[in-house]
Amino acid sequence: AQKVTQAQTEISVVEKEDVTLDCVYETRDTTYYLFWYKQPPSGELVFLIRRNSFDEQNEISGRYSWNFQKSTSSFNFTITASQVVDSAVYFCAQYSGAGSYQLTFGKGTKLSVIP
Amino acid sequence: NAGVTQTPKFQVLKTGQSMTLQCAQDMNHEYMSWYRQDPGMGLRLIHYSVGAGITDQGEVPNGYNVSRSTTEDFPLRLLSAAPSQTSVYFCASSTLRGGNTEAFFGQGTRLTVV
Repeated sequence: AQKVTQAQTEISVVEKEDVTLDCVYETRDTTYYLFWYKQPPSGELVFLIRRNSFDEQNEISGRYSWNFQKSTSSFNFTITASQVVDSAVYFCAQYSGAGSYQLTFGKGTKLSVIP
Repeated sequence: NAGVTQTPKFQVLKTGQSMTLQCAQDMNHEYMSWYRQDPGMGLRLIHYSVGAGITDQGEVPNGYNVSRSTTEDFPLRLLSAAPSQTSVYFCASSTLRGGNTEAFFGQGTRLTVV
């Protein structure tokens, strides 16, 4: 069975600080996919990134970066120079391509960026 | 480009009432699913469908019913609402190319059962 753990329930940082959100996943499948979603206070779910299990390259998109490490089953998300607009709940999720068609979410990390 | 449309956005029900949450997508996606979001619990899968006429249970299916008569629509029925079903409900769709895509989510339905 799949499981996604986001150990940090809430994080507060001061604007311009860097912050890393942790995500640890569990799966027995060799093919799987990992995602990050952002849920701002308005409530919608915004897709941020997808990574498949065969691609361990880290990715950077502006102030956002993701560190995928299969050795530790982690897919961490770093925001550099945080801004107030980054305040949101962030979800890590996992999808297994083994026919289950189920996207399993972590419980989310609430990030508050203080001006 | 509508994407995934959920209606209604808000609903208050009395215990024992039934209702249907509507979900429609215009992307011709095979896979559709319903999640509920509760504080501190993340999103939990209720039911999903891999195509018209095919549905299956997720993690928390009790008290909910679904059907998929067309590719576009995937309604979620609450048979006899209970206060424990107070939650925010999200519908999602994606292609069955698995993780090589993203799940597109609707705006959510905030349901309160009193």
